Amino acid sequence: EAAVTQSPRSKVAVTGGKVTLSCHQTNNHDYMYWYRQDTGHGLRLIHYSYVADSTEKGDIPDGYKASRPSQENFSLILELASLSQTAVYFCASSDNWGNTGQLYFGEGSKLTVL
Amino acid sequence: QEKVQQSPESLIVPEGAMSSLNCTFSNSASQSIWWYQQHPGKGPEALISIFSNGNKKEGRLTVYLNRASLHVSLHIRDSQPSDSAVYLCAVRFGGSNAKLTFGKGTKLSVKS
Repeated sequence: EAAVTQSPRSKVAVTGGKVTLSCHQTNNHDYMYWYRQDTGHGLRLIHYSYVADSTEKGDIPDGYKASRPSQENFSLILELASLSQTAVYFCASSDNWGNTGQLYFGEGSKLTVL
Repeated sequence: QEKVQQSPESLIVPEGAMSSLNCTFSNSASQSIWWYQQHPGKGPEALISIFSNGNKKEGRLTVYLNRASLHVSLHIRDSQPSDSAVYLCAVRFGGSNAKLTFGKGTKLSVKS
């Protein structure tokens, strides 16, 4: 049974529209992450969180917001979607023993902005 | 900003051969290094990790880490068509609060 589930798995949005990507984990992990994956750039960290009601900026946070209302749920919000935000987005979780470094990923959400 | 670079970008090997993938990183203070496997349309899955200089073997996989040369390699013995995937090197650098920095990946194709 999948421990990190993302929704929607695929979405087409219009430029300037609002997009919310959702992530739910059943791993009982403290850390959750949002990455985007693009050809030529690999996986880049957007936002992460290590406790409910708190989020941290990753390496490329501009144009994105994040929300962690509970330990299980972590959302990525694009208030004004732009063409450059077309990508595949991955949510991941890890336990609070950060030194282990192992992330558990969801299946990804493919976002196309037109 | 810490960097992780992988080579080659793509690799084609015949079934049964050894596959060798390389990764270099920018800071010897890295705490842990992971290799992830990603099949098309799927999320990355952790394969193997290494924390100390030297090598680590798990089944058909062997990882070699040399912190002095900022280099880690992954070797897959007896490669199978099912090993065809993108392999991502990920490094947790010191002081980064559980963040991992990923390389761009090596696309491995194993031909039968």
